[in-house]
Amino acid sequence: NAGVTQTPKFRVLKTGQSMTLLCAQDMNHEYMYWYRQDPGMGLRLIHYSVGEGTTAKGEVPDGYNVSRLKKQNFLLGLESAAPSQTSVYFCASRDPGLNYGYTFGSGTRLTVV
Amino acid sequence: KNEVEQSPQNLTAQEGEFITINCSYSVGISALHWLQQHPGGGIVSLFMLSSGKKKHGRLIATINIQEKHSSLHITASHPRDSAVYICAVQGGSQGNLIFGKGTKLSVKP
Repeated sequence: NAGVTQTPKFRVLKTGQSMTLLCAQDMNHEYMYWYRQDPGMGLRLIHYSVGEGTTAKGEVPDGYNVSRLKKQNFLLGLESAAPSQTSVYFCASRDPGLNYGYTFGSGTRLTVV
Repeated sequence: KNEVEQSPQNLTAQEGEFITINCSYSVGISALHWLQQHPGGGIVSLFMLSSGKKKHGRLIATINIQEKHSSLHITASHPRDSAVYICAVQGGSQGNLIFGKGTKLSVKP
């Protein structure tokens, strides 16, 4: 029972490089989210998806793109990485409805130099 | 002004002490979540509550909807409770979370 799996766990990028972070969940959840966590700040929502084939912008979407081609996967892309994107990225999933909580992945620590 | 405020920001306790972490919010919500994050670790959901009180082991979470306030209590604290505790409120049409900045708890043996 893996829950939410994020890959990779760590990555160092040079400014201008691109990369894709993968989030996979095996709970058949409809909703998926990408957050970033920075020192001294609460988690902030980058993009989210309420179902296969749908995506929407969150609080801090600039510089990121996402895709949800399959229900179990939610990809976060950085087309041209910048030092300001150095952060810890968390993926989460849940089912809609008041009684269902969030399940978080273990995080991806990204450093852009 | 932050929509979710936690206090204290940092808390140091001796093993066995009773601990309280507070969360106040200023928006309408459908639920409130308490989360735990160990150093360098992932985020674990502790509680999701929309009214009253919930208990799991030594952890108790309460919420007062009228006062827009929630508390997380830890009884008989232990060094393994050392972590960052995060309050998050769920609201809006999509039920997205708004997070507090977290309370860093250190329990000394």
